[in-house]
Amino acid sequence: DQQVKQNSPSLSVQEGRISILNCDYTNSMFDYFLWYKKYPAEGPTFLISISSIKDKNEDGRFTVFLNKSAKHLSLHIVPSQPGDSAVYFCAATPIIIIIQGAQKLVFGQGTRLTINP
Amino acid sequence: NAGVTQTPKFQVLKTGQSMTLQCAQDMNHNSMYWYRQDPGMGLRLIYYSASEGTTDKGEVPNGYNVSRLNKREFSLRLESAAPSQTSVYFCASSQDSYQPQHFGDGTRLSIL
Repeated sequence: DQQVKQNSPSLSVQEGRISILNCDYTNSMFDYFLWYKKYPAEGPTFLISISSIKDKNEDGRFTVFLNKSAKHLSLHIVPSQPGDSAVYFCAATPIIIIIQGAQKLVFGQGTRLTINP
Repeated sequence: NAGVTQTPKFQVLKTGQSMTLQCAQDMNHNSMYWYRQDPGMGLRLIYYSASEGTTDKGEVPNGYNVSRLNKREFSLRLESAAPSQTSVYFCASSQDSYQPQHFGDGTRLSIL
């Protein structure tokens, strides 16, 4: 049972345009969400996070939106650059687990983003 | 600045052999984690150590054991490797449960 789903395995976007990566979750206990970026032969690197008390969080070119009622989050990258070509994973966890001292992330399958010049 | 270092980077085993994957971090982090990533799937948590001296099961612990040797090192052991354990294994660490995890570059393990 896939609790975090990224239904688009790949996405191709022109340089300078907006990239929108989507993520859906089924577990209503999830209330803290993260996005990671992964280049080939490297480990994932943290990009941005959001908790359920907010519906938007921005960091430079990256913005994450959370729609709790739809159990959906999205990552917007504006403007897209060639260096953004990578696999993007969303991950989720209950905040209560974090408060209890653990960070047990559940990851989606990933979306491969390709930025075309 | 090494961050999280995993050894080896690649390994081929025969079914039934044992193997220990090593992970060390130099960021003085309290928490450490082991994940596996299979094709078309996200990372799945195998075991984690919230602090030195503690370990707990994650989502897919069967067939694995872990040791938090000290604050820096967290090893993953396969006692009797099976083809289903062919995967890429990632180690990660975080300052605590509130901070993002930092990942190593992975160990690609093939079991024949």
